Amino acid sequence: KNQVEQSPQSLIILEGKNCTLQCNYTVSPFSNLRWYKQDTGRGPVSLTIMTFSENTKSNGRYTATLDADTKQSSLHITASQLSDSASYICVVSGGGADGLTFGKGTHLIIQP
Amino acid sequence: SAVISQKPSRDICQRGTSLTIQCQVDSQVTMMFWYRQQPGQSLTLIATANQGSEATYESGFVIDKFPISRPNLTFSTLTVSNMSPEDSSIYLCSVTRADTYEQYFGPGTRLTVT
Repeated sequence: KNQVEQSPQSLIILEGKNCTLQCNYTVSPFSNLRWYKQDTGRGPVSLTIMTFSENTKSNGRYTATLDADTKQSSLHITASQLSDSASYICVVSGGGADGLTFGKGTHLIIQP
Repeated sequence: SAVISQKPSRDICQRGTSLTIQCQVDSQVTMMFWYRQQPGQSLTLIATANQGSEATYESGFVIDKFPISRPNLTFSTLTVSNMSPEDSSIYLCSVTRADTYEQYFGPGTRLTVT
C-alpha cells in the first residue's frame, strides 16, 4: 500500500530559527516528490518538485532533499519568519488515480 | 502556472440541503480533480472530473452524493447532496497541465453543515 509518513506532526519554533521537516514514503512506482505549503483556510501551494535523479532543490529559504534509496525527504526552512506558520504537506507521485499520495502534513507554528 | 478560483469560498448549510461548488481555471488543463480535506487531515481524492463524460469516483465516494460536471476544459462543479454534519470539510479543486509535473490547487471551499 502506498503511504507517505511525515514527522513531526506539529512543531513550534521561535522566529529566526531553522527547522527540518521529515517525509518517508513507500510509493511505487515513484515519479516525483513534492512539498506543498498550506496556509490556514487556503489551498496548498507548491514549494518544490524533485524527480528521482534530484537530490536537492531550493526555493528561497526552503530547501528540500531527496534520498530515493532510503525513500526519505526533508524540507529545511532557514531563518524562519512568522509567515512560515502553515501546514507543510509531502506528496509523492506514483500512485492513485491522480497519481498522488499525500502525507498528513506537519503543522508548523512560528512564534515571535 | 494555473490560477484557480472557487465559489463560494465558504458556506454554512443546513442538514439535508445541497451545495454546488464551482471551479474555474484561467487556462485549459488536462486533468481536474476534486478533493476533500477534513479537519486536521490531509487531502482525500473524491473524483476525477472528465470533460463531457461521467466523473471517475474513488472508493467511498458515489455520484449520487457528489455529482460532478465538467462541461469544458476550464470549468467544473461539485455538488454535495443531502448534506450531513459529517460533510463539513474543505473542498478543493485541483488541476494538472500536460506540459509540467505541477498540480495546482484552488483556494478551497470551507463547508460547515449544521
